[in-house]
Amino acid sequence: DQQVKQNSPSLSVQEGRISILNCDYTNSMFDYFLWYKKYPAEGPTFLISISSIKDKNEDGRFTVFLNKSAKHLSLHIVPSQPGDSAVYFCAMGNNDMRFGAGTRLTVKP
Amino acid sequence: DTAVSQTPKYLVTQMGNDKSIKCEQNLGHDTMYWYKQDSKKFLKIMFSYNNKELIINETVPNRFSPKSPDKAHLNLHINSLELGDSAVYFCASSRMTGAAENSPLHFGNGTRLTVT
Repeated sequence: DQQVKQNSPSLSVQEGRISILNCDYTNSMFDYFLWYKKYPAEGPTFLISISSIKDKNEDGRFTVFLNKSAKHLSLHIVPSQPGDSAVYFCAMGNNDMRFGAGTRLTVKP
Repeated sequence: DTAVSQTPKYLVTQMGNDKSIKCEQNLGHDTMYWYKQDSKKFLKIMFSYNNKELIINETVPNRFSPKSPDKAHLNLHINSLELGDSAVYFCASSRMTGAAENSPLHFGNGTRLTVT
């Protein structure tokens, strides 16, 4: 959906380092923002979310940041592990979810 | 014990045929969806049902008709298949209608439809 853009189709990171995945959006009315992770031949699985009233949410190695003024969402994974290698989709919306095209993360041992 | 299951996983068919994809969820969720992942990898919502009632119907050709016999099932029937229908179709469910921080989508593993 062109309202939601993940400008980096791929990202490669060394194991143990930080992975930063980015997402930009155009609709300032979105209330909820989520990240999904997808392995090949499987459906996306929910990873972490944040509402528009917050600017940070943390869950273990995963932290989501929301910058409403810049209309920018990011996901930080630290430390990155080889099992994190997957396609990551950002999603956001109100009554329905709009998805980005995904970023393929590769974590090298 | 799959939460959202859809069948078949792969579907290869010829133009003009009619086909169905079935979806079932055992999570007790009230809302179910069909998403299409196109060649550019975007996941786009097609339909959303809440407790067997149609909530969202995006701009989808009339050849696509969802059917929800009960809130645990949402099937997708496609008439007169066209080449452009080739895509991966994902079924999903959520606890409530509408985006919410604590009501994420649970996806099935997808059905790869190839129209020749």
